[in-house]
Amino acid sequence: KNQVEQSPQSLIILEGKNCTLQCNYTVSPFSNLRWYKQDTGRGPVSLTIMTFSENTKSNGRYTATLDADTKQSSLHITASQLSDSASYICVVRVYNQGGKLIFGQGTELSVKP
Amino acid sequence: DAEITQSPRHKITETGRQVTLACHQTWNHNNMFWYRQDLGHGLRLIHYSYGVQDTNKGEVSDGYSVSRSNTEDLPLTLESAASSQTSVYFCASSDSNSGGQETQYFGPGTRLLVL
Repeated sequence: KNQVEQSPQSLIILEGKNCTLQCNYTVSPFSNLRWYKQDTGRGPVSLTIMTFSENTKSNGRYTATLDADTKQSSLHITASQLSDSASYICVVRVYNQGGKLIFGQGTELSVKP
Repeated sequence: DAEITQSPRHKITETGRQVTLACHQTWNHNNMFWYRQDLGHGLRLIHYSYGVQDTNKGEVSDGYSVSRSNTEDLPLTLESAASSQTSVYFCASSDSNSGGQETQYFGPGTRLLVL
């Protein structure tokens, strides 16, 4: 069964600190992996997209890593800001199934001053 | 600027009523999607369309229907609303020509409460 699992479910950090969110997936066949940010009351917004050949991709203070062998990904946030408070969703695209996406449940990040 | 909008943003209805949620995008994207988001679940696909007159069922399509008469719009209809359909609904669109790396752009969501 195609699944995407994220950990932790929720996380509280102090402003300025770094943090890492985890994603494990059992999706086959694999096409690519995305990280989305979802602010409260809004739709998800894409942060990164990585294919199996890409180990790392950055978007400002966000750096995503992918290990296609172990089927794990992480999202590292550097020097967190209050505006980073949001849900971060790991999403895997299934290859050759018309763009089907499998969504994780998300990690709820709260950045405190 | 191109955008994707949903209306209404909030809706309260009664069990058994027909409800239609609107989705409109100005990206000129061929692909459009409807998802629902519930606590304890990731976003789940309801219906999707790859172009005008094309519609397909997603994993949770029972009780929902869509139609695609033009590129910009994909309305979602709940034929007879049930309390189990209380949820937040998101519409999304994407370009069909990005070799599998297309980004899905999401609307702001519609909160639906079925009493």
